[in-house]
Amino acid sequence: NAGVTQTPKFQVLKTGQSMTLQCAQDMNHEYMSWYRQDPGMGLRLIHYSVGAGITDQGEVPNGYNVSRSTTEDFPLRLLSAAPSQTSVYFCASRTEGLSSYEQYFGPGTRLTVT
Amino acid sequence: TQLLEQSPQFLSIQEGENLTVYCNSSSVFSSLQWYRQEPGEGPVLLVTVVTGGEVKKLKRLTFQFGDARKDSSLHITAAQPGDTGLYLCAGALTGANSKLTFGKGITLSVRP
Repeated sequence: NAGVTQTPKFQVLKTGQSMTLQCAQDMNHEYMSWYRQDPGMGLRLIHYSVGAGITDQGEVPNGYNVSRSTTEDFPLRLLSAAPSQTSVYFCASRTEGLSSYEQYFGPGTRLTVT
Repeated sequence: TQLLEQSPQFLSIQEGENLTVYCNSSSVFSSLQWYRQEPGEGPVLLVTVVTGGEVKKLKRLTFQFGDARKDSSLHITAAQPGDTGLYLCAGALTGANSKLTFGKGITLSVRP
């Protein structure tokens, strides 16, 4: 049971380049999310999905796109990278429930935009 | 404005000491979680509390949810170097669309 996997682990981009951060989970979780973590800012929600074909914006969605074609995969796309997107990105998946959230995080992708 | 305020922001203690850290808000949460994160890794869920006044224990860690479900505390007894890490609390707002809001975290360092 791999849990939540993310690739790549590290990435350096130049301003204006595009790339896709991959995220997959094998726990059959409906709910998946992308967060970014910056020093002193905690974890901030970028986009989330409550199931295949359904996505919505989080707290900081600008500059990022997502899609959810399968339950397992939830890629995050940077269309035109900017230095402000330098961060550590975490994908998470969880069980669904009104009062109980068992959320699991991937190991993260450390992105540097120069 | 940060929805969840965690305090203190940094804490450095000697092995064997006890400590309590806090997660406070003016909002009511349907549930609240605590995570621990080690450098270079993703956060790992420690506990979920859902009932006002609820107390949960995980070995030397004791978690309490406030009676009004607006705050939580984490107490560590006889801290060990292995407890070192970033402690994050996250809350799900009552009636919100299943989104979790995270605090900024508490960096704990336990010296041998």
